[in-house]
Amino acid sequence: EAGVAQSPRYKIIEKRQSVAFWCNPISGHATLYWYQQILGQGPKLLIQFQNNGVVDDSQLPKDRFSAERLKGVDSTLKIQPAKLEDSAVYLCASSPFRENWGQYFGPGTRLTVT
Amino acid sequence: SQKIEQNSEALNIQEGKTATLTCNYTNYSPAYLQWYRQDPGRGPVFLLLIRENEKEKRKERLKVTFDTTLKQSLFHITASQPADSATYLCALGAGGFKTIFGAGTRLFVKA
Repeated sequence: EAGVAQSPRYKIIEKRQSVAFWCNPISGHATLYWYQQILGQGPKLLIQFQNNGVVDDSQLPKDRFSAERLKGVDSTLKIQPAKLEDSAVYLCASSPFRENWGQYFGPGTRLTVT
Repeated sequence: SQKIEQNSEALNIQEGKTATLTCNYTNYSPAYLQWYRQDPGRGPVFLLLIRENEKEKRKERLKVTFDTTLKQSLFHITASQPADSATYLCALGAGGFKTIFGAGTRLFVKA
């Protein structure tokens, strides 16, 4: 079974530029998550999708971050404009719609904002 | 406010010993708790999930306990090996799959 795919793996941009990350979850997984992980901290949930709909985006900085999930499968996360404090690893995860399953994470995208 | 605490200091143990990691939480009533392993430069890997009505769960060399009175979970790795060296994250879940992660504890197993 293929895992969660993310691209790019690394990205360096200047502040005020825009950037987009892509995620392809495990086939059949209804729930998709985007997390931000700053060095030395645990992952922080940015947005959670259930199929096409948003379940939770309470911690998403909506003035600069946006996300969508196309046809309930792939997802993109965009930052526009980026700030220095956005430097982090952006993790995508998916899970089946069953409570006895954990989340399956992709390798992440390491973003550096200079 | 809701808070999850994991030992910020690294845990160093000798190969073959049992590693015990702690996860404490406050102002939260999770329906379940998860443990993940994370290696440098990689995403977390799901290990175990334990529900609020379960006291203990085991998987191979791993054992998790969940005490909702103490608001604490303990994660044990028996017969530890150098390959078990990693950061271990606990995560609390409530209905709707919302998950809050702790900062993790680094484990070093010395041969």
